[in-house]
Amino acid sequence: RKEVEQDPGPFNVPEGATVAFNCTYSNSASQSFFWYRQDCRKEPKLLMSVYSSGNEDGRFTAQLNRASQYISLLIRDSKLSDSATYLCVVNLSGGFKTIFGAGTRLFVKA
Amino acid sequence: DAGVIQSPRHEVTEMGQEVTLRCKPISGHDYLFWYRQTMMRGLELLIYFNNNVPIDDSGMPEDRFSAKMPNASFSTLKIQPSEPRDSAVYFCASRPLDREYNEQFFGPGTRLTVL
Repeated sequence: RKEVEQDPGPFNVPEGATVAFNCTYSNSASQSFFWYRQDCRKEPKLLMSVYSSGNEDGRFTAQLNRASQYISLLIRDSKLSDSATYLCVVNLSGGFKTIFGAGTRLFVKA
Repeated sequence: DAGVIQSPRHEVTEMGQEVTLRCKPISGHDYLFWYRQTMMRGLELLIYFNNNVPIDDSGMPEDRFSAKMPNASFSTLKIQPSEPRDSAVYFCASRPLDREYNEQFFGPGTRLTVL
């Protein structure tokens, strides 16, 4: 079993739609959690951290369920520019060993 | 402020040749990471350094791979001898020590093709 698992997609949604991505992790000792975004042929960039209480940044909402070892990302009012691969990321052992999920591809259509 | 710098951006080589990838982290960052990304395996952590010292190299695939960080502003990842299955994008990333600031900053990557 992979340490971080994501649905690879692709998710094809129209502009304005709401889309949700899920991620599960296997190591209960995982300490911190993130969503990164990666555009085609570019490097990954931090989208947002994920906190136990849930957090929101504009159209993006991230949630963490430690009991179920589950992380989610919700994107509201999708834009064409949201088209990218979204990587679920988990930090282990003191916060520096980083495990990336394989990513979920999103295509937002006009 | 310059971000993480990697060179070369593209490398095409023949099987058996030595390949050296280079990385300059963001000034002041205490941690440096090397990753490999392929379609099949996604983004894999190979090794990371803290203050120039390798902390965890458990992701290094085999003895053909080696990484060094001779000073705070330079790191290399070497593959000798290279094989076609090493073809991938290799990313370097850095981050500061502050635990409250968890973002890793990635370089643009080196796209390696081994023929």
